[in-house]
Amino acid sequence: DGGITQSPKYLFRKEGQNVTLSCEQNLNHDAMYWYRQDPGQGLRLIYYSQIVNDFQKGDIAEGYSVSREKKESFPLTVTSAQKNPTAFYLCASSIPSGMGGELFFGEGSRLTVL
Amino acid sequence: AQRVTQPEKLLSVFKGAPVELKCNYSYSGSPELFWYVQYSRQRLQLLLRHISRESIKGFTADLNKGETSFHLKKPFAQEEDSAMYYCALSTSADKLIFGTGTRLQVFP
Repeated sequence: DGGITQSPKYLFRKEGQNVTLSCEQNLNHDAMYWYRQDPGQGLRLIYYSQIVNDFQKGDIAEGYSVSREKKESFPLTVTSAQKNPTAFYLCASSIPSGMGGELFFGEGSRLTVL
Repeated sequence: AQRVTQPEKLLSVFKGAPVELKCNYSYSGSPELFWYVQYSRQRLQLLLRHISRESIKGFTADLNKGETSFHLKKPFAQEEDSAMYYCALSTSADKLIFGTGTRLQVFP
């Protein structure tokens, strides 16, 4: 069954703790993305990666880190430096096409900081 | 600055009424624009892209470069159209910038 799998779906964290959200895809897509979705603010880009071992900051990268060691995987770490981490996080992938191919999204991970 | 603006947070119509979800963009280059939709309990998915010039589920969207707009239209709304709609702008480097979204409610 092809697609993008995010885990966990729900995650609770205490303040001061780092947490890592998993994103795996078996679509053989080169590009992967992390977005944050907040009510009334739409989707904001955190990080994206067009190829293995390379990634770029998006619009709200502060307090987050990523790695892209494998084509299939693009984990996102929410660090204790992120001031307002409670949010819904969406991972996506696409075939790079120069000006934006179709993005395929995961089901999302909801992080709540207690 | 690259920006996508969706001025309406919520749009409510009755079944059979026309629908227009507004989207304006700001981009100095040649834009590529998309509409994404998120139905209840489903993943965000592509609805249509301007370059395809196609009609999906009765929806169409025309790029107006003079008005920097890409409004989504449907002549007769259906209850199953109720969803969250996002307009998105593609810049170089395969980066998609999304608007804040408009929730469409279609009442029976």
